[in-house]
Amino acid sequence: DIQMTQSPSSLSASVADRVTITCRASQTISRYLNWYQQRPGKAPKLLIYGASTLQSGVPSRFSGSGSGTDFTLTISSPQPEDFATYYCQQSYSAPWTFGQGTKVEIK
Amino acid sequence: QLQLQESGPGLVKPSETLSLTCTVSGGSISSSDYYWGWIRQPPGKGLEWIASIYYNGNTYYKMSLKSRVTISADTSKNQFSLELRSVTAADTAVYYCARVVYEVSGPYYDHWGQGSLVTVSS
Repeated sequence: DIQMTQSPSSLSASVADRVTITCRASQTISRYLNWYQQRPGKAPKLLIYGASTLQSGVPSRFSGSGSGTDFTLTISSPQPEDFATYYCQQSYSAPWTFGQGTKVEIK
Repeated sequence: QLQLQESGPGLVKPSETLSLTCTVSGGSISSSDYYWGWIRQPPGKGLEWIASIYYNGNTYYKMSLKSRVTISADTSKNQFSLELRSVTAADTAVYYCARVVYEVSGPYYDHWGQGSLVTVSS
């Protein structure tokens, strides 16, 4: 199985800071990388697919980049509703695997 | 608007079978455009894909769970279901059903149910 490793596991940020989350795959996955946001007690919500394509309705302050094994999710100016846990997920080969999550908290 | 809703018992005894159903509204599970899947999340932990099914009945399972899992679909009810046999406390989790979209840029889960907490305990 492809292992997905996110860093950091948690971070504190102020509203209007720039937040960057990294996801590394244990082998190359081209650009088959998706990002999800999960608020407490809620289901995950798709933010980005194909490494950099923003899902419809997702604010443009979210962006994704990367290819191969290294990927980044950036929140350019987080709003209060963005404080949540973020997961990357590879869909290059089955079983599709998720990172362990990055919890973004308010500083 | 597409909606998915999980249903099933919230408590299952060890060694018994966990059964969940996902009812889909606002879209058809018979569409060739999508797959349908189950993902689980143990309390305080990350996400784990369990199984997926396609409109033609093709099924896909996580290898480590394959001997205990069955995914099936009832197109007349627009539902798909999960059975997990011989459960242990390690199977305690929130179980989500979700829709899978396949695009050139790769597959992804674009709609999720709200989740169903299943606790395995005597």
